[in-house]
Order: sequence, then C-alpha cells, then structure tokens
Amino acid sequence: AQTVTQSQPEMSVQEAETVTLSCTYDTSESDYYLFWYKQPPSRQMILVIRQEAYKQQNATENRFSVNFQKAAKSFSLKISDSQLGDAAMYFCAYRSSGFSKIQGAQKLVFGQGTRLTINP
Amino acid sequence: KAGVTQTPRYLIKTRGQQVTLSCSPISGHRSVSWYQQTPGQGLQFLFEYFSETQRNKGNFPGRFSGRQFSNSRSEMNVSTLELGDSALYLCASSLAWTSGTTETQYFGPGTRLLVL
Repeated sequence: AQTVTQSQPEMSVQEAETVTLSCTYDTSESDYYLFWYKQPPSRQMILVIRQEAYKQQNATENRFSVNFQKAAKSFSLKISDSQLGDAAMYFCAYRSSGFSKIQGAQKLVFGQGTRLTINP
Repeated sequence: KAGVTQTPRYLIKTRGQQVTLSCSPISGHRSVSWYQQTPGQGLQFLFEYFSETQRNKGNFPGRFSGRQFSNSRSEMNVSTLELGDSALYLCASSLAWTSGTTETQYFGPGTRLLVL
C-alpha cells in the first residue's frame, strides 16, 4: 500500500518570504500522480498543484511550484512571495495510475498535513 | 457552475444511532469519493462511486456504506454510531470520463458529525 509522509506538522513564514513544505511517499508503482491540496480554516479543500510522475518537468502554478524527485520519492511544495491568504493546512496526496485502468478510480492517499502560518 | 454541496453541514447524534449524509457533485461530474477527516487519523478514504457502482472501498467497517444515484448524487450511511465516528466527512467529485486522466477532484465543505 502507498503511504505519504509530511514530516513538518507546522511551519511559519514571514509575509513575502518563500517557504518549502516537504512530502515523501512510498510506492512500488512507476506511474502515479501527486497533488498538493490547501485547506484554509473552516473552508473547503482546494487543489494547489499536481504532478504526473511520468513528467520530468516540475509543475508550476503562479507562486506555487514543486520539486519532484522521483528516485528519492520526494515531492516538496515551494510557495514564493507568501501572502496572508496562503495560511492553511497543506496536504500532500498520492493517486495511483493503476486505478486509472478502472474508469472513475480517483482514490487519494493523503499525508498528515502541514499547518502553514503567515506572519505579517 | 455550482460547486460540490454537502448536507447537512453539522450533525449531532448519540451512540447507536444511524446517520445519512448527502453529497451533490458538480453538474456533469460522475465520480464521487468520500473521505473521513479526524485530528488523529487525518484524511482517510472511505469509498468511491462512478455510474452508480462502487469502484473502490477503504478500510472501514461494514457500518459505513454508500450509494450513488442516477443523477450522480451520493449518500453515505453510518449505522450504530460510535464515539470514534465523530469527524468531518468530505465528499469530492470529478469528471472521471476516461482512464489515465488527472481530472481535478473538487471537494465539498464537508459534514461535521459529532457523536455523543
């Protein structure tokens, strides 16, 4: 079974600074998908960024980028120019592509989350 | 386009009772997944439905069940509630039209269940 580990329960950063959240995973599969989700306090979970394992290029979405190291099974999230609205729980998630052979299979395996605080 | 909606948003039940939670996916989405979120166990996958069929099931006891209707709306039921069932129950929907795709899963606001 796949597992996802986020070793930083809490992180804090000064507004406008850069912060990196860590995520490692364990899998025997070669093809899969990785995601970072954001859950603001008392608000809905939203997708921040995603990475397909077969792509060597790291994904980027505006101020958010990832450092995907497939051999090391590492998938860190970098947030540049941190803003107050970035304060939230961040979850790293894994999705097997093997399940993709079954139409509709969307199961996500989540890490324990990292609570990010932005200091003004 | 309306997002994923879940009803009710809050529920208080007592041990031994049963509860039904509802999830309406985004219009056109055919896949619905359910997750349980607790401070101790984090986010755990319950089950997933596609075209009214359960495609995948997590490691939860048989007290947890679900179904999906022809309009893609989904319900989950927990029978004989236990204190440990207190959690935020999240529903997520996606298009999931073809295999191998990475459609975004859109999450609802959740139903917070408290078992006394």
